[in-house]
Amino acid sequence: DTVLTQSPALAVSPGERVTISCRASESVSTLMHWYQQKPGQQPTLLIYLASNLESGVPARFSGSGSGTDFTLTIDPVEADDTATYYCQQSWNDPWTFGGGTKLELK
Amino acid sequence: EVQLVETGGGLVQPGRSLKLSCVASGFTFNNYWMSWTRQAPGKGLEWVASITNSGGSTYYPDSVKGRFTISRDNAQNTLYLQMNSLRSEDTATYYCTRDELGAYYFDYWGQGVMVTVSS
Repeated sequence: DTVLTQSPALAVSPGERVTISCRASESVSTLMHWYQQKPGQQPTLLIYLASNLESGVPARFSGSGSGTDFTLTIDPVEADDTATYYCQQSWNDPWTFGGGTKLELK
Repeated sequence: EVQLVETGGGLVQPGRSLKLSCVASGFTFNNYWMSWTRQAPGKGLEWVASITNSGGSTYYPDSVKGRFTISRDNAQNTLYLQMNSLRSEDTATYYCTRDELGAYYFDYWGQGVMVTVSS
């Protein structure tokens, strides 16, 4: 199975720029997607196909990468962005998720 | 507005069965693949099953293959997950998701339903 590795947690101040990384154990081309999950809620799609912003998602969010290394960037970070962020690949069967990065605001 | 509403969760003993349902609205159900994804308490996300828009093909990871069956009724806009031989490690919140055709990501998620497997 394709393992997706994310840093467990990050802490940033409002107004700063934050990058959340996701590294795949094998190439996933650009079939990488990002989700946000706030406490007690279901996940929501932020970025699809590595760099495409889902409709309704603020332009503060962006994604990049291909192959095995991917990044979700939030610039600038706002208090409402406190959440856990998951990457997901759909290039290799089975589709897999990263372990999640918990973003906390200082 | 797209809505996905799951029902059918609860407490079940190991080895027993449970069937989840997801009623969809706000989009043309039979145009979309659908999936189930789960999240164990305090843990990450795990894809569980997918079904094509016609229902003709289904897909599972090894962790549930042979125990879980995904199905759909396009006339009733309803997705199902039949779970047999349940284990304690199946304890999780189960989310119904709509899949974006061709790229297999999940653009809408239901609110989730909790399944607890315990004696």
